[in-house]
Amino acid sequence: GENVEQHPSTLSVQEGDSAVIKCTYSDSASNYFPWYKQELGKGPQLIIDIRSNVGEKKDQRIAVTLNKTAKHFSLHITETQPEDSAVYFCAAIPYTGNQFYFGTGTSLTVIP
Amino acid sequence: DTEVTQTPKHLVMGMTNKKSLKCEQHMGHRAMYWYKQKAKKPPELMFVYSYEKLSINESVPSRFSPECPNSSLLNLHLHALQPEDSALYLCASSQVPGARGEQFFGPGTRLTVL
Repeated sequence: GENVEQHPSTLSVQEGDSAVIKCTYSDSASNYFPWYKQELGKGPQLIIDIRSNVGEKKDQRIAVTLNKTAKHFSLHITETQPEDSAVYFCAAIPYTGNQFYFGTGTSLTVIP
Repeated sequence: DTEVTQTPKHLVMGMTNKKSLKCEQHMGHRAMYWYKQKAKKPPELMFVYSYEKLSINESVPSRFSPECPNSSLLNLHLHALQPEDSALYLCASSQVPGARGEQFFGPGTRLTVL
């Protein structure tokens, strides 16, 4: 099955700086890569996703890049704000299956 | 309405109790999911319902029993749980199963088994 690795496990940045979280996957059949943000006491919320026919996608301060050859994808958050503090999960989904394969999570802290 | 709702928010139960978790969505989604999430870990898939039929059961113990009464509702019946079953139980839904659509998660039920 698919194996998704996520780094770093914890990340602290100063407000206004950028944050980058990286994930690698193993199954070349994976073709959908969402990123979820989970705040304390809440369920995961989709913040951005990318499909394998696209190399980069942006939504305001958030961007995701995908390198299919290297089998890795990254989340970029610019101009970080304290409300960006949360746990972020990446996931990879093979087109052949129903299951989301989640990364291990990154706890992001934005220091005011 | 782009929301998945779950009740109750918190549940404390003894090992001999029987309780149920409820999940509801009105987005017309035909796939619904139960996940278990331990602290500081990613969600672990338990069950998938596709068009109201159970399509995936990830080797979950029989003390967890899912039910999908209709396309909008998903229940998880709990019986004779163990303290290690304490976790956040998340429900999710998607337009269709698999990679063709995002999964929308509910806020979860925080379960404590004494």
